[in-house]
Amino acid sequence: GAVVSQHPSRVICKSGTSVKIECRSLDFQATTMFWYRQFPKQSLMLMATSNEGSKATYEQGVEKDKFLINHASLTLSTLTVTSAHPEDSSFYICSVTPGQSNQPQHFGDGTRLSIL
Amino acid sequence: QQQVKQSPQSLIVQKGGIPIINCAYENTAFDYFPWYQQFPGKGPALLIAIRPDVSEKKEGRFTISFNKSAKQFSLHIMDSQPGDSATYFCAASREENTGKLIFGQGTTLQVKP
Repeated sequence: GAVVSQHPSRVICKSGTSVKIECRSLDFQATTMFWYRQFPKQSLMLMATSNEGSKATYEQGVEKDKFLINHASLTLSTLTVTSAHPEDSSFYICSVTPGQSNQPQHFGDGTRLSIL
Repeated sequence: QQQVKQSPQSLIVQKGGIPIINCAYENTAFDYFPWYQQFPGKGPALLIAIRPDVSEKKEGRFTISFNKSAKQFSLHIMDSQPGDSATYFCAASREENTGKLIFGQGTTLQVKP
């Protein structure tokens, strides 16, 4: 069964809207979650590392005020795209890890964000 | 030094063929090398992974070959099937679980019936 639940699977909204995406770890407590962005026919680019109870660590070039990440519990992380614009349209994917040795990352099924 | 270079960009094989996808890395601190399979509109799913102390790993029809001195690794798909048509990504990380994954550019594989 699914290890990671990501919601919603697709969002279409107007420019200027803020959009929240949820990532839930279903099988274990995830001390660390990762958020990726994938443009069409391109690879996954890591945006930020989300650690439960602390501030997220953003990759170079990713605006932390634009992409707000909250990891309030060991099973839930949220990504909010604030004041979204058409260039933010992309496929956003989260992954979770239990933080134990020999356990790989598990990816959600992604959220297709389309900004009109 | 953080890049993982993947080739080819796309690949077409006949059913039963053995597609081979190659990846190269620079950072010798990487110690975990997974391969992911992604279907359209879905997140990537882990296929198989290897650590640098092993030169080859096989799981079902999927085999990873690892060349530590050349800093290269490859994925072989034996007896490929049309259902294997997908995009494949190699990746590298410094830690298997908590480390950030650096992905290759991806290879779109089409297996013709």
